[in-house]
Amino acid sequence: DQQVKQNSPSLSVQEGRISILNCDYTNSMFDYFLWYKKYPAEGPTFLISISSIKDKNEDGRFTVFLNKSAKHLSLHIVPSQPGDSAVYFCAASATSGTYKYIFGTGTRLKVLA
Amino acid sequence: ETGVTQTPRHLVMGMTNKKSLKCEQHLGHNAMYWYKQSAKKPLELMFVYNFKEQTENNSVPSRFSPECPNSSHLFLHLHTLQPEDSALYLCASSQDPQAPLYGYTFGSGTRLTVV
Repeated sequence: DQQVKQNSPSLSVQEGRISILNCDYTNSMFDYFLWYKKYPAEGPTFLISISSIKDKNEDGRFTVFLNKSAKHLSLHIVPSQPGDSAVYFCAASATSGTYKYIFGTGTRLKVLA
Repeated sequence: ETGVTQTPRHLVMGMTNKKSLKCEQHLGHNAMYWYKQSAKKPLELMFVYNFKEQTENNSVPSRFSPECPNSSHLFLHLHTLQPEDSALYLCASSQDPQAPLYGYTFGSGTRLTVV
């Protein structure tokens, strides 16, 4: 049973518009969340994180929102750029007593010029 | 060289072969990890090493054998693999092995094909 789910395998967005990538989790013990970005033939690179004490974290064009009651997080990219085309993974961890991050299956974002 | 380096980038091996994947990190991190990424599946944690000691074996078959001679190097020894073991194998490291708050630094991976 997948504890972290990214239900959209792919997403296409026009350049300049907003990209919204979604992630759902089932384990209520998860209290730290990460987003990674992966280009072909490269390893995933850390993008942005959020802890459960916050509901929003911003870094430039990237904002992550966390809805703890819905066990849902989303990554917003505004404005989207062609260079943002990649696979995006969300990952979740329970920081008390464990160091394992559980990853979703990823969403492939394509930003159209 | 900086970051996490994995070699080889691609590997094709027969089911009776023995091969090894290598990972090296120059970040001064204390924890290293092996992950497996199969098509349409989430990244699966295989092994965790914390200060060179294996702290987790995530029910991985014995045909995969990790080795961590020091905190900068990590190997994955492979023998008598099956075609379903074909996947992208990713090495990662982190400064803090206890729920690293800044995530992992990943290598580019080794694309393994078992024929």
